[in-house]
Amino acid sequence: AQSVAQPEDQVNVAEGNPLTVKCTYSVSGNPYLFWYVQYPNRGLQFLLKYITGDNLVKGSYGFEAEFNKSQTSFHLKKPSALVSDSALYFCAVRDMDSNYQLIWGAGTKLIIKP
Amino acid sequence: DVKVTQSSRYLVKRTGEKVFLECVQDMDHENMFWYRQDPGLGLRLIYFSYDVKMKEKGDIPEGYSVSREKKERFSLILESASTNQTSMYLCASSLGQGADTIYFGEGSWLTVV
Repeated sequence: AQSVAQPEDQVNVAEGNPLTVKCTYSVSGNPYLFWYVQYPNRGLQFLLKYITGDNLVKGSYGFEAEFNKSQTSFHLKKPSALVSDSALYFCAVRDMDSNYQLIWGAGTKLIIKP
Repeated sequence: DVKVTQSSRYLVKRTGEKVFLECVQDMDHENMFWYRQDPGLGLRLIYFSYDVKMKEKGDIPEGYSVSREKKERFSLILESASTNQTSMYLCASSLGQGADTIYFGEGSWLTVV
């Protein structure tokens, strides 16, 4: 069965420090992987996705994510955190070889402290 | 830019009322979705549609129905609202499946009292 895990409910980072939001997945075939961000009382905004090719994917607002097939992970990263990055982050996966819907992680709340 | 518009941001309804949540997308997308978001539970798919007049149940369809009479519009219907349907409802659309990005509306906060 397909699944996504975001092992941390909350991540706290000081402004200016690098940040990582973790995501691991399980699919039977090859994955399509997505990251979305949700600001308070708003809908989800697309950040980036991995389809194939280069394992390092660059996205919006300076975020990037690294696909690691052996560790079945797709961690979201940013070299220098901003207070405005504080939000809820969702990872999602779809099996390339099936017609399944996106499977969503439970979300990670990112708090950037000044 | 893709725009997914949910007509109501905040609603308060009484138990037993019939509730309509409307969603419109402006990018000629084939697929449309209704999700429910609750703290700690992430996003749960209620219904989705691949084409006009076509619908498929998601993970939690009980207590909900949908209507897609036109390609750009996807409505979620709560036939008889209950307090356990108090939640944030998110509409989304995508051009196709596979690697296609899903775009979300701003969400509708529904409180059932």
